Amino acid sequence: KNQVEQSPQSLIILEGKNCTLQCNYTVSPFSNLRWYKQDTGRGPVSLTIMTFSENTKSNGRYTATLDADTKQSSLHITASQLSDSASYICVVTKGTGFQKLVFGTGTRLLVSP
Amino acid sequence: EPEVTQTPSHQVTQMGQEVILRCVPISNHLYFYWYRQILGQKVEFLVSFYNNEISEKSEIFDDQFSVERPDGSNFTLKIRSTKLEDSAMYFCASSEPGQGAAQPQHFGDGTRLSIL
Repeated sequence: KNQVEQSPQSLIILEGKNCTLQCNYTVSPFSNLRWYKQDTGRGPVSLTIMTFSENTKSNGRYTATLDADTKQSSLHITASQLSDSASYICVVTKGTGFQKLVFGTGTRLLVSP
Repeated sequence: EPEVTQTPSHQVTQMGQEVILRCVPISNHLYFYWYRQILGQKVEFLVSFYNNEISEKSEIFDDQFSVERPDGSNFTLKIRSTKLEDSAMYFCASSEPGQGAAQPQHFGDGTRLSIL
């Protein structure tokens, strides 16, 4: 079954600290893996997109990794800020057609002052 | 920066009534999508649209749902006879040309649909 699982479900960290969020997937065929940030009441915003051949991709303080062999990805946030408080959603694109996205349940991150 | 805009932000409708959710995608985008997110659950794909026709749809997108791009700018989702379980946040998204490429999808802020 095509699934995307994320851990932890929720996380609280102090401002300035780093954190790593995890994503495991069983989606097949695999096209690419995306990390989105979703603020409460807003639509998801794309952070990174990685294809099968890419192992890591950065976007400012966000660094995503992908291990296509083990079907795992991580999102590392460096020097967290209060504005990083949001849900972070791992999304895998199924197939090579018109990019149907399979969403994970997300990790809710709270950055505390 | 160009945005996907959705209207209304909140729609309250009686069960059995028809509802139309509206979206204005980013102007040079050619691929359009609808997703829904039931409260507390993950986002789910509904339908993708390209070249004035549906390219993919999920099992959720049954005969009660339809999509249309009536005038070259708006992209609408119609639910013909709403049910209580249609209550959800509905997101519209669009992406640039480049089929098969890892194009980011740009999401609107959603329409919260409440069925009474």
